[in-house]
Amino acid sequence: AQRVTQPEKLLSVFKGAPVELKCNYSYSGSPELFWYVQYSRQRLQLLLRHISRESIKGFTADLNKGETSFHLKKPFAQEEDSAMYYCALKRTSYDKVIFGPGTSLSVIP
Amino acid sequence: EPEVTQTPSHQVTQMGQEVILRCVPISNHLYFYWYRQILGQKVEFLVSFYNNEISEKSEIFDDQFSVERPDGSNFTLKIRSTKLEDSAMYFCASMGLIVSGANVLTFGAGSRLTVL
Repeated sequence: AQRVTQPEKLLSVFKGAPVELKCNYSYSGSPELFWYVQYSRQRLQLLLRHISRESIKGFTADLNKGETSFHLKKPFAQEEDSAMYYCALKRTSYDKVIFGPGTSLSVIP
Repeated sequence: EPEVTQTPSHQVTQMGQEVILRCVPISNHLYFYWYRQILGQKVEFLVSFYNNEISEKSEIFDDQFSVERPDGSNFTLKIRSTKLEDSAMYFCASMGLIVSGANVLTFGAGSRLTVL
């Protein structure tokens, strides 16, 4: 069965430091991978998806099929990046989203 | 930007009572979903709905749960007889036509259900 893991429940970094939120998945096919973010008291919102190969708010994520990973990176963390980050997977375009357990990122001023 | 709207934002109910959570998806979306998040736990899939029928449901979505799209705009989740363990945040989501760039779920702000 498909699964998404995020090994870090909590991650604290200093402002200006690089940040990497890890995500691994298990699925035998070619999934679509996403990162969703939830800022305090706000709704879940899409941050980025692997299919677009985009950079949003300075964040990037590269799909590594060999390592089945989709780690989220940002070279210089900002205080406003503090939020809950969820890695997510869809088996096909028509499929539900399966979420990882989430990583709470705290950026220390 | 279009939004998914959920009501109520918070509902407190007694165990055994029926609860209906309402969602207004984005108007031209065709795929609808309910998820829940128990406090401190992950976001879990409950059910997906397309073409006026359930397309997939999880093991959480037992006979106590039902979904309905009673008119062209609302999408509801009913819990027939609530249990303490139903206390959670319930998220509605919708998705548009499957064309390039459109296969993204848009989430509502959530309805917090507290069962006493």
